[in-house]
Amino acid sequence: DIQMTQSPSTLSASVGDRVTITCRASQSISSWLAWYQQKPGKAPKLLIYKASSLESGVPSRFSGSGSGTEFTLTISSLQPDDFATYYCQQYNSYTWTFGQGTKVEIK
Amino acid sequence: EVQLVESGGGLVQPGGSLRLSCAASGFTFSSYWMSWVRQAPGKGLEWVANIKQDGSEKYYVDSVKGRFTISRDNAKNSLYLQMNSLRAEDTAVYYCARMYYDFWSGPGCFDYWGQGTLVTVSS
Repeated sequence: DIQMTQSPSTLSASVGDRVTITCRASQSISSWLAWYQQKPGKAPKLLIYKASSLESGVPSRFSGSGSGTEFTLTISSLQPDDFATYYCQQYNSYTWTFGQGTKVEIK
Repeated sequence: EVQLVESGGGLVQPGGSLRLSCAASGFTFSSYWMSWVRQAPGKGLEWVANIKQDGSEKYYVDSVKGRFTISRDNAKNSLYLQMNSLRAEDTAVYYCARMYYDFWSGPGCFDYWGQGTLVTVSS
């Protein structure tokens, strides 16, 4: 099974900060990685797919990069609406696994 | 507008059964892979099962194999999850999700989600 490990688990930041979240796969997944945002009591929302493709309607301050086993989600300038939990998810070879999540908190 | 509405959750005793439903609208249901994803209270997301457009392929996470069955009725635009032999560790919010399909990767990420339905397994 492919394991996904996110770091950090929690991140404290201020509005306007540049934020980077890392996701590592236990084996190569090419570019088959997605990122989601989830707010308390709500369903997850797709932000990025295929490692770096921005989902329609998602603000351009969100970006994704990486391939193989190491990936990053970057928020270029953190906005009040961005305080949430973020998950990565791999979809390689008909397997589907999420990372454990990264909570972005207000500093 | 794509809408996915889950129903059927509730309180069930260990060893019991429950059938979840997901009503889809706003897109051509029969053209998409569909999936169930769950989230235990205070925990992360876990993919549970998915099903091909015509129901000919189904995949399950190891922990539910032999206990859960995913199915669909394209005429009713509906997705189902039959859950048998339920355990305390199956307690979670269950989300119905549409799958984004890529020619090279196959069924991939989850582009639309329902609001979820809570399943609680407890005596």
